[in-house]
Amino acid sequence: AQKITQTQPGMFVQEKEAVTLDCTYDTSDQSYGLFWYKQPSSGEMIFLIYQGSYDEQNATEGRYSLNFQKARKSANLVISASQLGDSAMYFCAMREREDNQGGKLIFGQGTELSVKP
Amino acid sequence: DVKVTQSSRYLVKRTGEKVFLECVQDMDHENMFWYRQDPGLGLRLIYFSYDVKMKEKGDIPEGYSVSREKKERFSLILESASTNQTSMYLCASSPGTGGESNSYEQYFGPGTRLTVT
Repeated sequence: AQKITQTQPGMFVQEKEAVTLDCTYDTSDQSYGLFWYKQPSSGEMIFLIYQGSYDEQNATEGRYSLNFQKARKSANLVISASQLGDSAMYFCAMREREDNQGGKLIFGQGTELSVKP
Repeated sequence: DVKVTQSSRYLVKRTGEKVFLECVQDMDHENMFWYRQDPGLGLRLIYFSYDVKMKEKGDIPEGYSVSREKKERFSLILESASTNQTSMYLCASSPGTGGESNSYEQYFGPGTRLTVT
C-alpha cells in the first residue's frame, strides 16, 4: 500500500497568492517524521521543512508552513505569497521510527507546481 | 555546507554495458542512499548503506549492486545496463540514527540522468 500519497500531479497558482500542496501518509508507528522537498528543473532536491509526529505546533520556515493534522494523517505544505521561483516539483516524504536504521525516507509521487505571473 | 557530488550529470550507455555511478559526500555522514526517479513514481530507493561495507536493499534493488569501501563514497553499479534503467539517479546522505534522528534530513546530490540505448 502506498505510504505517502500526493494526489495532485500538477497545480497552478497566481504569483503572490498562497497555495496548498496535499500529502497524506499511512503508518502504524507512533514516532515518525515528515519532510517536504523542492526539486527545481535543475534536478537538485532542496529540503524545505520538517514536522515531527510529537510536535504540537505546525512547522514553519519562512514562507513555508506545514499543516499537520495527525488524526487525518495529512501533512500539507502551504506556500504563502508564491513567487515565480517556486515553480518546481514538490515531494512529501516520511521516516518511520521503527524502520529507522539508515534513516530511510519514503517519498510520494510529487506535485508539479507552476506559478503564473 | 554539506556537499554531495555525483560523478556525472548526464550519461549515455549502451545496452549490456557495465555502468558505475559514483557519489561522494563531505560531511562524514554514516548513511548514504541511491534512488531512481521516474515521472509519476516519485523517488524509489534502490540501495542504502548505514556504515562502511554495509549495504541494505531498498524497494527496487533488482539489476543493481552497490559498493561502500570508504565512508564518504557510495557507488551504484549496473552490472548489465538495460533500457528500462534509463532514469534519473539521485544519491543522498544523512547523519546516523539515534537521538533526534527522525528529524535528520537527507542531503542530495545534483543527480545523474542516465540514458541506456
